[in-house]
Amino acid sequence: EPEVTQTPSHQVTQMGQEVILRCVPISNHLYFYWYRQILGQKVEFLVSFYNNEISEKSEIFDDQFSVERPDGSNFTLKIRSTKLEDSAMYFCASTHKTGGSDTQYFGPGTRLTVL
Amino acid sequence: AQTVTQSQPEMSVQEAETVTLSCTYDTSESDYYLFWYKQPPSRQMILVIRQEAYKQQNATENRFSVNFQKAAKSFSLKISDSQLGDAAMYFCAYRRLDNDMRFGAGTRLTVKP
Repeated sequence: EPEVTQTPSHQVTQMGQEVILRCVPISNHLYFYWYRQILGQKVEFLVSFYNNEISEKSEIFDDQFSVERPDGSNFTLKIRSTKLEDSAMYFCASTHKTGGSDTQYFGPGTRLTVL
Repeated sequence: AQTVTQSQPEMSVQEAETVTLSCTYDTSESDYYLFWYKQPPSRQMILVIRQEAYKQQNATENRFSVNFQKAAKSFSLKISDSQLGDAAMYFCAYRRLDNDMRFGAGTRLTVKP
């Protein structure tokens, strides 16, 4: 069964450094999402992406965040200058179409630790 | 704004028994979708069950079923014949037609052998 994959599974970085989290959505999916889950808290929406542009973003997704689909398979989340409070699990999700009852399929997550 | 509330931070159930996890949500929309996701210690998000708001019939997936009360904006998850592998965090989520999902704070389910 096709699945969303994410790399790395765990990323440790120093405060102020840039990180890129990578996701490979399911191949025929068209809509892509990033979510964040700070330890012990609920999953929060960051951004959605369709047709090579951001379709929606939350207030969390400020100027230090960016997303990109550099090729036909990868979907990346970049954090330019990490802060301690960026430490969290980051989940990528994809769906074939929005609307309807299409389910968002989540990847296994990347645990980001900012020191 | 849509909000999802899970009022039970923790629940426990005896193996083979039945447990119900509560979820309520707030929306002014008539068309939307509701989901339950399971998050085991690995922290992966696994879809358990989904419900379309326009359907009156409650969704069922094997041992998992929901009690969807649209007027009350309630969406509870019933797990029958609980198994040790059911132990996890369970998140209720709401999604409007073209939007991202909004999650509740989660309920930690413990299954006692």
